[in-house]
Order: sequence, then C-alpha cells, then structure tokens
Amino acid sequence: DAMVIQNPRYQVTQFGKPVTLSCSQTLNHNVMYWYQQKSSQAPKLLFHYYDKDFNNEADTPDNFQSRRPNTSFCFLDIRSPGLGDAAMYLCATSRTSRGLQPQHFGDGTRLSIL
Amino acid sequence: AQSVTQLGSHVSVSEGALVLLRCNYSSSVPPYLFWYVQYPNQGLQLLLKYTSAATLVKGINGFEAEFKKSETSFHLTKPSAHMSDAAEYFCAVSVSTGTASKLTFGTGTRLQVTL
Repeated sequence: DAMVIQNPRYQVTQFGKPVTLSCSQTLNHNVMYWYQQKSSQAPKLLFHYYDKDFNNEADTPDNFQSRRPNTSFCFLDIRSPGLGDAAMYLCATSRTSRGLQPQHFGDGTRLSIL
Repeated sequence: AQSVTQLGSHVSVSEGALVLLRCNYSSSVPPYLFWYVQYPNQGLQLLLKYTSAATLVKGINGFEAEFKKSETSFHLTKPSAHMSDAAEYFCAVSVSTGTASKLTFGTGTRLQVTL
C-alpha cells in the first residue's frame, strides 16, 4: 500500500546532541510537511517542501532544519535539541498544493531528550 | 484568515450512543474542511473531507459530517459509538498558499467511550 513511513518510531537523544528524523513516501506526492505535536495539542507546522522548494514557518526555531534529497525522502534535523523539543514529530504529504487536497500522515516519531 | 473552534475538549459517550463532535470554522473564502482521527502514539488518519460537493459527507468507520454554511459548522457524527472509536479527533480547515495545502487545526476533542 502507498504510504508515508517515518523512522524511527521512537528516538532518544541527549540534550544538545544533533538528531535526524526521516520520512519516506510511496505516494509520489509533490508536497511534504513536518509537524511538531506536543501532548494534548494539535500539530504545529514547522515547514514544508513543494517539490525541492523549502518553505519555513515564521515561528520555527533556527534549531530545526530540513532536507529533501529526492521526491521520496525528507529529513528533519534538530541541531541542538533542548528539553522543550521533546514531542511527537509528524511527517505528512499532499499530492498538490491545492486546498482540497488532504494531507496523508505517517505514524510519527516520538522524540525524548535526556 | 482561517480558524477552527472545537467545542468540548473531552466528550464521553456510552457504547452504542450517538457521537456528536462539534466544529465551527471561520474562513474568508469557501472552505475545505477535514476531520482527522488520531489514536494513541499514531499519526493522523483522514476520516472525511468537505470540498464543496455534497453537504453531507460520509467517511470511514461509520462517521459522517454535515456542512452548514449558515451556521459555519461542520459537526462530526456517528449513530452508534464503539469502544474502538476512543481517540482524539481534529477538525481542520485548509487553504492553498501556492506551495502547500495548509491546514489550520482545531484544538482537538478527546472521545471516551464507556461500557
């Protein structure tokens, strides 16, 4: 089945130690999104890629970076994780940028900071 | 600007009872509306969407929602709750930014189903 796959499902890192989360998709969608979701909150959009074009949200900290080396893969890099970055990170895709296109989510990576 | 209000952060129903989760939206353009469900430690799964076709939208798992422009509402219903429906439900409005189908989420409603 076509889907959005996130690895790993659980990630533990140390305070200040860089960490990379990965997302792959077999849907061949143009747009890929990264969200941060904290407990009992709605997902918060960090940034998205339209094809190879990177689009950052205005309030996303510089500590968060992203790479999309090809259509299928997208990475979230946290350069120096702080305790406040512990959260669920969700990757999503949409076929196009049209508003009627739903987003398809992966199962997320839960990040813990020691 | 778009916004979504979900009334009731927690809703509890008995198994077999009607489920009603409320969602009101604000949008400066004709809205595209979505309901997503999130089970513990999982991502969001699309339940149903309204994209300006039929106002009564049927989704997966027996859920449906009715778009009411006059009330700016898109409430989610299910005639008979099942234990497996216990989850977090998010209503969202979508707008195209040119490079994204950008979602604005409500704060979510946690549905509890009791025996």
